[in-house]
Amino acid sequence: RKEVEQDPGPFNVPEGATVAFNCTYSNSASQSFFWYRQDCRKEPKLLMSVYSSGNEDGRFTAQLNRASQYISLLIRDSKLSDSATYLCVVNRREYGNKLVFGAGTILRVKS
Amino acid sequence: EAGVAQSPRYKIIEKRQSVAFWCNPISGHATLYWYQQILGQGPKLLIQFQNNGVVDDSQLPKDRFSAERLKGVDSTLKIQPAKLEDSAVYLCASSLDGSIVFTSTDTQYFGPGTRLTVL
Repeated sequence: RKEVEQDPGPFNVPEGATVAFNCTYSNSASQSFFWYRQDCRKEPKLLMSVYSSGNEDGRFTAQLNRASQYISLLIRDSKLSDSATYLCVVNRREYGNKLVFGAGTILRVKS
Repeated sequence: EAGVAQSPRYKIIEKRQSVAFWCNPISGHATLYWYQQILGQGPKLLIQFQNNGVVDDSQLPKDRFSAERLKGVDSTLKIQPAKLEDSAVYLCASSLDGSIVFTSTDTQYFGPGTRLTVL
């Protein structure tokens, strides 16, 4: 079983739609959680951190459920520019600052 | 602020050949990471340096991969000899200090990567 699991998609949605991605992680020792965005043939970039209380950044809302070891990302009012791969990432501190990435969920927003 | 620099951007070699990648982290960043990203997968950590010391190399295939960061700044990753399954993007990342309990200084910034094709 992979340590971080995501639905690979692709999610094909029209502009203006609301879309949600889910992610589960298996290691209960995971301490920090993130969503990264990766455009085609580009490097990953931090989209947002995820906190237990939930957090919002504009059209993006992230939620964490530690008991269920579940992370989500909600994108409202999708834009064409949101098309990318969204990587769910957990941080384990066994040997310093180790990030473990999921395989990513592909989002395609169409006009 | 300049980002993480990597070279070359692309490399095509035949199996059993050797190849080396170079990374220059963001100025002042103590922690440097090398990741391997195979098509359709997320990046996988190969090795993490704190200054010029290795923090974690548990997933580095040491029979063929080696990495160094001699002066605590630039780093090189070498593959010798390459196999077909080494075809991937090799990403370098850096963070201000990845050795402490997580704070915003742990944010990892990625370079553009080197796309390696082994024929």
